[in-house]
Amino acid sequence: DGGITQSPKYLFRKEGQNVTLSCEQNLNHDAMYWYRQDPGQGLRLIYYSQIVNDFQKGDIAEGYSVSREKKESFPLTVTSAQKNPTAFYLCASSIIVGGGSRTYNEQFFGPGTRLTVL
Amino acid sequence: GQNIDQPTEMTATEGAIVQINCTYQTSGFNGLFWYQQHAGEAPTFLSYNVLDGLEEKGRFSSFLSRSKGYSYLLLKELQMKDSASYLCAVSHDRGSTLGRLYFGRGTQLTVWP
Repeated sequence: DGGITQSPKYLFRKEGQNVTLSCEQNLNHDAMYWYRQDPGQGLRLIYYSQIVNDFQKGDIAEGYSVSREKKESFPLTVTSAQKNPTAFYLCASSIIVGGGSRTYNEQFFGPGTRLTVL
Repeated sequence: GQNIDQPTEMTATEGAIVQINCTYQTSGFNGLFWYQQHAGEAPTFLSYNVLDGLEEKGRFSSFLSRSKGYSYLLLKELQMKDSASYLCAVSHDRGSTLGRLYFGRGTQLTVWP
């Protein structure tokens, strides 16, 4: 079955430690995304990648880093520089069909990782 | 930039009809998505509108007016399992932001028996 996996479901870390969240997809999608969700908030984009070995900052990239060495994988590192890292993190992927005003880009989401920094 | 607005909370009773509105202001509009998200779970796709008009899919329908920057999600014959957050997301078609979705804060719908 095709899909997106994120692991682990729950993650606990001590303050000051870096932590890497995994995201893997076997949908053959070119684009991948990382979002952060806080209670009562919508999805805020951290980083996204449209192609292997390339990625762009989203709206809240400070304190985070990513890599895109393989099409299937887009790991997110939450560094100690991120001041409020406790949140629900969602990874998504999409195939970008068409171009310009005819682009279709439904995003498929992984199950999420709930990170708690103690 | 993008400005997407939807109500924070709504309540309704089982069997009723509810309409969740979404307004947006954006350049390079390329379609609007609605997602459903149950607490602690991933958002799941409900509908996509790019042309003006109504798209119907079972108990759920979605409407778009591009000239007014307005969409709504209509849920009929509400069931308890419809209690969830409903996310409005606008697609952007410009350059390096191609493929991005801009999400509203979500509308938390509670369905009462």
